[in-house]
Amino acid sequence: QKEVEQNSGPLSVPEGAIASLNCTYSDRGSQSFFWYRQYSGKSPELIMFIYSNGDKEDGRFTAQLNKASQYVSLLIRDSQPSDSATYLCAVNTDTGNQFYFGTGTSLTVIP
Amino acid sequence: DAGVIQSPRHEVTEMGQEVTLRCKPISGHNSLFWYRQTMMRGLELLIYFNNNVPIDDSGMPEDRFSAKMPNASFSTLKIQPSEPRDSAVYFCASSLGASSGNTIYFGEGSWLTVV
Repeated sequence: QKEVEQNSGPLSVPEGAIASLNCTYSDRGSQSFFWYRQYSGKSPELIMFIYSNGDKEDGRFTAQLNKASQYVSLLIRDSQPSDSATYLCAVNTDTGNQFYFGTGTSLTVIP
Repeated sequence: DAGVIQSPRHEVTEMGQEVTLRCKPISGHNSLFWYRQTMMRGLELLIYFNNNVPIDDSGMPEDRFSAKMPNASFSTLKIQPSEPRDSAVYFCASSLGASSGNTIYFGEGSWLTVV
């Protein structure tokens, strides 16, 4: 399987701080990049996706992509306790529609 | 619209028994994925169908695992015989098409315990 690497954490941040989640991928031909959030005992749900180099903002979330470095990140501003979850990075290959996931980073936002 | 529907939600079975997991993708989606999630290995892609045809089954762990998609609205993942190491959450997911960039949507998962 294609490699998608994430720091497993756990990552703890105080409420109101910025949480930074990082992901690297091995397939240089990857085209699309996704961040999913998974609460304990639940299925992954999409937060946002990014296709082009640079930043993409959606509310408190900003995804950053650097294809040259094969690096994608997610910033969560003004972190809330409800953001406490596991965050999964996913990569879509250019050879088909396979989605490969990292093992996830566990985030805890401390009130 | 209904999301991806999986059944059973929970199953406990004895080693050696056959297990069949079922999935109904989102209507209109023509790509379907089966994933397995464990604490140690995270989300692993087992098999991927496009237009009911298996495209990549390289993630299927061994011959005990098989998957079918007889029509656009139904897929099964079968484990025969089951072993304790198969205990995991099995997710089915679907997406709109085969082009890169289409988002995939997950079902609620089937929680399998083999004792």
